[in-house]
Amino acid sequence: DAGVIQSPRHEVTEMGQEVTLRCKPISGHDYLFWYRQTMMRGLELLIYFNNNVPIDDSGMPEDRFSAKMPNASFSTLKIQPSEPRDSAVYFCASSAGGHHQETQYFGPGTRLLVL
Amino acid sequence: AQTVTQSQPEMSVQEAETVTLSCTYDTSESDYYLFWYKQPPSRQMILVIRQEAYKQQNATENRFSVNFQKAAKSFSLKISDSQLGDAAMYFCAFTSGTYKYIFGTGTRLKVLA
Repeated sequence: DAGVIQSPRHEVTEMGQEVTLRCKPISGHDYLFWYRQTMMRGLELLIYFNNNVPIDDSGMPEDRFSAKMPNASFSTLKIQPSEPRDSAVYFCASSAGGHHQETQYFGPGTRLLVL
Repeated sequence: AQTVTQSQPEMSVQEAETVTLSCTYDTSESDYYLFWYKQPPSRQMILVIRQEAYKQQNATENRFSVNFQKAAKSFSLKISDSQLGDAAMYFCAFTSGTYKYIFGTGTRLKVLA
């Protein structure tokens, strides 16, 4: 299996610009998670989906952040407008149903720098 | 509230030696799962080992093993025969099956040649 795929791997943008991060979960996994990692706050869960439906978005920092999962193999995290404090590594993770449904597998992350 | 604590910000180990990373957690749940993830400089989060709370037997994966003490709410990771490639940040994580992970703050492991 190819694992969780994220794109782009690196993104540099200017304050005020729209940023879109993309994720393809492991085939057959029905849970998808978006995390943000910073030095100050560590790993934070932003939102997670089950069967393409958002279940908990309480970690989304503010209205500038939005996430969608139009189908089982694709999700996006959008920041509009971006701010320098959004600079972080953003991870997507997925997990399957069944016995190991609680084990999350992470993508390589997207390193975002907002100037 | 559920919490995960890693009290060692940094550890060092000589190559081929054994090192133990500590993790404690707090929960009122009886059924939960614990994990250790490795994050090398590439930033990729790699699952090292997982433990189901209902299992008394400690999980092992090759050179990696855990010491799970449920009553003490302790979940330490032992790395045997340490290798240079083991150098990374190690995160302890907890979930009670709600699919929300709670991560510790991490322990940076240095492996000395």
